[in-house]
Amino acid sequence: AQTIHQWPVAEIKAVGSPLSLGCTIKGKSSPNLYWYWQATGGTLQQLFYSITVGQVESVVQLNLSASRPKDDQFILSTEKLLLSHSGFYLCAWSLGGRSYEQYFGPGTRLTVL
Amino acid sequence: GDSVTQTEGQVALSEEDFLTIHCNYSASGYPTLFWYVQYPGEGPQLLFRASRDKEKGSSRGFEATYDKGTTSFHLRKASVQESDSAVYYCALRSNYQLIWGSGTKLIIKP
Repeated sequence: AQTIHQWPVAEIKAVGSPLSLGCTIKGKSSPNLYWYWQATGGTLQQLFYSITVGQVESVVQLNLSASRPKDDQFILSTEKLLLSHSGFYLCAWSLGGRSYEQYFGPGTRLTVL
Repeated sequence: GDSVTQTEGQVALSEEDFLTIHCNYSASGYPTLFWYVQYPGEGPQLLFRASRDKEKGSSRGFEATYDKGTTSFHLRKASVQESDSAVYYCALRSNYQLIWGSGTKLIIKP
């Protein structure tokens, strides 16, 4: 069975500080990977997707970047946090191709002060 | 561009009431449609999907039928329970993106 792990579970960071969030998928080779952001009480906004190692596509620019250093790992980062970065960050995976549903991780709660 | 509209931001029902959450979409062709449920503090969970006209998806007592004519995929459940309290999202697949509705919060009244 596939498992998806996100770290950390929660972060409290200062404005202007750097950030790195991680996501690991086990039990599935060459998945498509996705990063989402969700404001408190809001809907989901897709940020990035990756269909292969080393290749990441941006969907929305929020002063964030993403990388896929390994087949099973997806990293979201920024060098300088803004207050507007606060929210819930979700990683998801899907089978390769264009028609498959996405499965979500447990999320990381980020508070920027 | 493609879009999904959920008209109800919140629905408040009593246990055993009938639930309908409306979802309409705008997209060309036959996009794959999904219903997800999100409990507080968790990631969304897939309820089911449908990708052809008149196809019915169902899970956990919830169901929805793909209707190309009315571009709709309304979520229904015959008898809601307290454990159904959550936010429900309709979504459609557009290339490598999921286009999400705004979500409908289901509240079960005591």
